Amino acid sequence: DAGVIQSPRHEVTEMGQEVTLRCKPISGHNSLFWYRQTMMRGLELLIYFNNNVPIDDSGMPEDRFSAKMPNASFSTLKIQPSEPRDSAVYFCASSPGRSYEQYFGPGTRLTVT
Amino acid sequence: GEDVEQSLFLSVREGDSSVINCTYTDSSSTYLYWYKQEPGAGLQLLTYIFSNMDMKQDQRLTVLLNKKDKHLSLRIADTQTGDSAIYFCAESRGGGFKTIFGAGTRLFVKA
Repeated sequence: DAGVIQSPRHEVTEMGQEVTLRCKPISGHNSLFWYRQTMMRGLELLIYFNNNVPIDDSGMPEDRFSAKMPNASFSTLKIQPSEPRDSAVYFCASSPGRSYEQYFGPGTRLTVT
Repeated sequence: GEDVEQSLFLSVREGDSSVINCTYTDSSSTYLYWYKQEPGAGLQLLTYIFSNMDMKQDQRLTVLLNKKDKHLSLRIADTQTGDSAIYFCAESRGGGFKTIFGAGTRLFVKA
């Protein structure tokens, strides 16, 4: 099993640019989560999907952030326009649902200058 | 409150036991978890315990759950330098997918 796959692993962009982060969950998992991790705020849940449907997006910071899950094997997190305070490591995780344990990807380190 | 609380740092000598403590808030939490994060990597599930259990042992790891006090602990026996990492306690809220993570305990293992 390849585990959760995220791309890109690193992204450096200028303020105002659009950023798209991608995630492929583990095959057969029916839930997908997007988190953001910073030193100041720790690990924050941004949004999660169950069976491709967004269930809770209360953690999405503002309208500049959007997430989609068009099918069971792919999800995107988009930031438009990006700002320096969006700099963080963004993790995607998936869960098979049995005991709600989550399997994390390696993360995307985003730097907005 | 909303938070899962854990101490920020723990330092032990190689070969000693490490005990990482956590308090959670939701008495209806179904599952409680311990995750490990090494530098530059994502969180890795170490173990979890169902809320009707008191203890779970998995090789060098022992999880103790005190539901009355909402206290969870992770004991690592014979701690090795490779155990140096951040350990996150987490609870599943409302019996569902929403998992609340603590801030993480950074474990330093001295050779």
